[in-house]
Amino acid sequence: TQLLEQSPQFLSIQEGENLTVYCNSSSVFSSLQWYRQEPGEGPVLLVTVVTGGEVKKLKRLTFQFGDARKDSSLHITAAQPGDTGLYLCAGAASGGSNYKLTFGKGTLLTVNP
Amino acid sequence: NAGVTQTPKFQVLKTGQSMTLQCAQDMNHEYMSWYRQDPGMGLRLIHYSVGAGITDQGEVPNGYNVSRSTTEDFPLRLLSAAPSQTSVYFCASSRPSGGGFENIQYFGAGTRLSVL
Repeated sequence: TQLLEQSPQFLSIQEGENLTVYCNSSSVFSSLQWYRQEPGEGPVLLVTVVTGGEVKKLKRLTFQFGDARKDSSLHITAAQPGDTGLYLCAGAASGGSNYKLTFGKGTLLTVNP
Repeated sequence: NAGVTQTPKFQVLKTGQSMTLQCAQDMNHEYMSWYRQDPGMGLRLIHYSVGAGITDQGEVPNGYNVSRSTTEDFPLRLLSAAPSQTSVYFCASSRPSGGGFENIQYFGAGTRLSVL
């Protein structure tokens, strides 16, 4: 079973601060996804990274896939209250089916105004 | 375009009762999955399907059955509910993208189940 360790589990910051969330594994993934989930809703896909070393930007969010495709990070610049939510990383096993995902336990982010 | 629709949104069961959680998607996706989400545990895969008539077990399949008679529907059956099955259940459908290297999962809004 492939495991994805997310850290930190909880993060409470003030509006305007920067933050980074980490997603680490000892296994290689063919792709890694980041989702955001708001209370009472299902997760919504933010981004997919496929290539080792890849960096993708989505407005104030920057996603990076490690060179060895075992880890990823999500960096948020100048966080806003609207960024509050549960952030989940999910990996598709290398050499396996890319529709079968392993999820991390999530990082619950609270951005205070 | 409704996407992934789950019913009911809330359900309370007594231990030993059975029930079916419904999931329907209107995006003609081949792949569908059921997850459960518990506090501090992330999402854990229960069962999944790669097409009509084809299902397989995920990480935590015990106590649950699935079937996939059509592309659109993927119901999850609890055979004899137990308090350990109290959770939030999410259904997802997905399609390949990016030349097959990416897989975009679309989630329903969830069913919140309590087993007393």
